[in-house]
Parts: sequence; C-alpha cells; structure tokens
Amino acid sequence: GESVGLHLPTLSVQEGDNSIINCAYSNSASDYFIWYKQESGKGPQFIIDIRSNMDKRQGQRVTVLLNKTVKHLSLQIAATQPGDSAVYFCAENLRGTSYGKLTFGQGTILTVHP
Amino acid sequence: SQTIHQWPATLVQPVGSPLSLECTVEGTSNPNLYWYRQAAGRGLQLLFYSVGIGQISSEVPQNLSASRPQDRQFILSSKKLLLSDSGFYLCAWSGLADTQYFGPGTRLTVL
Repeated sequence: GESVGLHLPTLSVQEGDNSIINCAYSNSASDYFIWYKQESGKGPQFIIDIRSNMDKRQGQRVTVLLNKTVKHLSLQIAATQPGDSAVYFCAENLRGTSYGKLTFGQGTILTVHP
Repeated sequence: SQTIHQWPATLVQPVGSPLSLECTVEGTSNPNLYWYRQAAGRGLQLLFYSVGIGQISSEVPQNLSASRPQDRQFILSSKKLLLSDSGFYLCAWSGLADTQYFGPGTRLTVL
C-alpha cells in the first residue's frame, strides 16, 4: 500500500551544524504534510507544516521543503542544538478524507552532540 | 489557547484487568479526536477517531474500544487487557485545519 517512509532512521550531528531529515511519500494525492518532534516519553510536538501548493516554508530555525515531482519532503534545522535531539516524524494527509487522517512515517532519531 | 490532557500518565495493569484512559481538550469546540498507540521505537498507529459526540470509527480490529460521551472528552477502554496492549497511548485533536495536536500520552504496561 501507499505509505510515508524515511530514508535514514538515525542522524548524528555536532552542535551548531545544520541537520536535514528526509521523508519519501508515495501517494500523489496527498496535499498536506506535517513534521513532528517527539522527545522521549512525551507526545509528538508540531513543528511545521506545508501544503502541496507550496514547495518551501520557513519557521524559526526550521525549513520544510516539498518536492512533488519526486515525492520527497525534508526538514532542515539550522544551527542544531542539543535540545533538538529527538525522534522526528513526517506525516501526510490524504486529500478527501473527512477527518484529516494522517499517515505517519516510522521516524528518524536525531542525536546532537555538544 | 487549546490544551489537551491525558491521564493517567503511567499505568501498570495485570493481564485480564479492565482499562480506562481519558483524554480531554480545552479551548476548542467540536474537535476531531483521535487515539493512537505507539510501540517502543515505532511509529504511530491510529486506533480510533471521532468527529462528534457518540461517533466512533475504528481503524484496526483489536481488544480496545473508544467512547466520546462529551464534546471534548475521549475515552479508551478495554474489558480485559492483553500483554500485547502494552504501549504508549496518545490522544490527539484537530480542528478545521488538518493539523493534529497531541497530548502527553499514557504509558501502559500490562504484566
């Protein structure tokens, strides 16, 4: 079936570096994408979202890029800090669902070394 | 602003015992509500969703049930827990937009 997946299950970076977390999706009907951050023992926290009519959106230290041609989503974190260490999930919303059903990827573990 | 609460935060229950997890949302009306389960080191599996009071849809067959007795209250239940019911249970809500916001979760251990 169609699903959202991640290229890399783990990512280790040094403090101050930029991080890039990737996500591939296979459903061309998806029109909304979200990135979540989940720290150990806590619920996922919304980071940033993007609609399919955009290819880039920026937040505070984070940027999401959407490439619909190759069905690829990425999260860029600038000047990564130890507090950014967490599991990052991408999620896609399938167009036409009445209740905003999200399909989640398996997650990428980001570890930031001081 | 909207907030979402879950309790208890942690729970240890014997096999065969009943379960009741509660989720409440503040600061919004008529939210869509969701229950997810997350196994250790895994992604999120949608269990139930609700678009209104008394309206429950199940995503996967299982030993659990859900109810929505009030607009902003969502309850996850079981009559007899199984070992395989252990996990991290997350409640989420969404409004007119598609973004889902999650609660702090309940860690359930079935022994």
